[in-house]
Formats: sequence, C-alpha cells, structure tokens
Amino acid sequence: EPEVTQTPSHQVTQMGQEVILRCVPISNHLYFYWYRQILGQKVEFLVSFYNNEISEKSEIFDDQFSVERPDGSNFTLKIRSTKLEDSAMYFCASSRTGVSNEQFFGPGTRLTVL
Amino acid sequence: DAKTTQPTSMDCAEGRAANLPCNHSTISGNEYVYWYRQIHSQGPQYIIHGLKNNETNEMASLIITEDRKSSTLILPHATLRDTAVYYCIAQYGQNFVFGPGTRLSVLP
Repeated sequence: EPEVTQTPSHQVTQMGQEVILRCVPISNHLYFYWYRQILGQKVEFLVSFYNNEISEKSEIFDDQFSVERPDGSNFTLKIRSTKLEDSAMYFCASSRTGVSNEQFFGPGTRLTVL
Repeated sequence: DAKTTQPTSMDCAEGRAANLPCNHSTISGNEYVYWYRQIHSQGPQYIIHGLKNNETNEMASLIITEDRKSSTLILPHATLRDTAVYYCIAQYGQNFVFGPGTRLSVLP
C-alpha cells in the first residue's frame, strides 16, 4: 500500500539555524500539507499546497516558514531561523483531491531545537 | 477552533464494540465528518469519513444522525491495538482542524 514518507525521523538543531524537513507524498496525490504537533498538544495545520503554490496557510505559518516542491516527488518544509518553540513533531500529508478526500499522513519528523 | 466536541476519554473491553460519540451541532451542509486516530506520536491515521449517509469500511462504521449534529464511530470488535486518541473533524476543504480527541483505552 502506498504511503507518505518523511526524512529525517529526528532532527536536532541549534536555535537560529535553518532546517529542511523532507516528505515524499503518495505519487498520484495532488494536494500536500504540513501539520505540527507540539508535545502533549493538538495537531495543528500549517499549510496546504496545490499546483505549485500555497493554497491555504495558518497564522503559525509566518515568514520564517516556506514550502517547496523542488521536483516531481519531494515536498519540503523549510524553517529559516529556528526558535526553541519550533520544537515539535512535523507531519506531512497528501490527498488526491482537496475536498471530501482523506489525507494520508506520514510518520513525522521530530524537530528538537536547542 | 475545532467545531466538534468529544469525550476526553473512554474505556472499552477487548472484543467488545467501541462506540465513540462526537457532537458537531454547528456543522454546515457541505462539511464532511472525518475520523482519524493517533497511536502514540505516530502520524494520524485515516479511519472513515461521511457527509450524510452512514458509512462502513474494513476498519469501522460511521453513523451520522439525520440532522447531522452528531455522529458515532463504531469499532465493531476492539483490540488492544485500537488504543489511541480518536479525532472527529468536521471540515470542508483542506485545512483540518484537530481538537483534543477522545483517548480510547482498550482493556484486556
């Protein structure tokens, strides 16, 4: 069964450093998403991406975040200058359509900012 | 904010049906009801979704009331592996808003 994959599984970085989190969505899916979950808290939507542009973003997704689909398979989340409060699990998801269609989530990347 | 309310936690005996309720009294006509679950810190796992009609798949059944103000997820024969946090989401479009969910504990 096809699945969403994410790398790395765990990333440790120093405050102020840039990190790139990588995702490979399911191959015939057209919509891509990033969510985050701070330890012990709810899963929070960050951004959705379709047709090579952002279609929706939350208040959390400020100027320090960016997303890119650099080739036909990868979908990346970049955090430009990490802060301590960026420490969280980051989940990538993909779906075939943007409405009435289930989103499939990856296993997540645990980001630890020191 | 999430448009759904769910009990904080529930217990279920192994082998019995687990019935997880969800209230979505402010749901609009084009919003779907989705159920996901999260085991430990793994990625949320899709279970089932519906609009108006009851739905069933290999994992679960979804019963939506006629007025669409509430729904129930039914796991017909709960196993220990079904212990997880279950999220009910009422949504149209791409931005899933997760609430705190129901922590289901399946007991031996």
